[in-house]
Amino acid sequence: EPEVTQTPSHQVTQMGQEVILRCVPISNHLYFYWYRQILGQKVEFLVSFYNNEISEKSEIFDDQFSVERPDGSNFTLKIRSTKLEDSAMYFCASSERTGGETQYFGPGTRLLVL
Amino acid sequence: AQRVTQPEKLLSVFKGAPVELKCNYSYSGSPELFWYVQYSRQRLQLLLRHISRESIKGFTADLNKGETSFHLKKPFAQEEDSAMYYCALSCLAGIGSSNTGKLIFGQGTTLQVKP
Repeated sequence: EPEVTQTPSHQVTQMGQEVILRCVPISNHLYFYWYRQILGQKVEFLVSFYNNEISEKSEIFDDQFSVERPDGSNFTLKIRSTKLEDSAMYFCASSERTGGETQYFGPGTRLLVL
Repeated sequence: AQRVTQPEKLLSVFKGAPVELKCNYSYSGSPELFWYVQYSRQRLQLLLRHISRESIKGFTADLNKGETSFHLKKPFAQEEDSAMYYCALSCLAGIGSSNTGKLIFGQGTTLQVKP
């Protein structure tokens, strides 16, 4: 069964550094999402992406964040200058359609900012 | 504001006992509700969604718009049901907007089924 994959599984970085988190959504899916979960807190929506543009973003998704679909398979989340509070588990998800359709999640990338 | 509340962080039951994981939501529009489950060291995966009205692994959930609830139930818990359960709401981006698929999650409830 096809799955969403994410790399790396863990990343440790210094405050102020740029990080890129990578995701490969399920191949026939058209809608892509990033969520994050700070330790001990709920899973929070960051951004949704469709047709090569952001369709919705949360307040968390400020100018430090960007998303890109550089080719036909990858979907990336870039954090330009990481802060301590960016330490979290980041989940990528994809769905075939939007509007309440099932989202399939990747295993997550655990980001630790020191 | 759109919100999902799962009041219990931990629910511990014995095998064979009934289980009810509570979920309440706050949303003025027509909600799409889901239960996602995360087994130990595995990814989040869909358990069930209200629109399909299915029973998955013996679990059911009924949307009660009057009480704004979507509680997850199972009559006889099994040890393999031990996991983290998240209730999630999918809703419109704003008045007159389309549903972009954004999911709003509750805090999650850890279900522990003891032998």
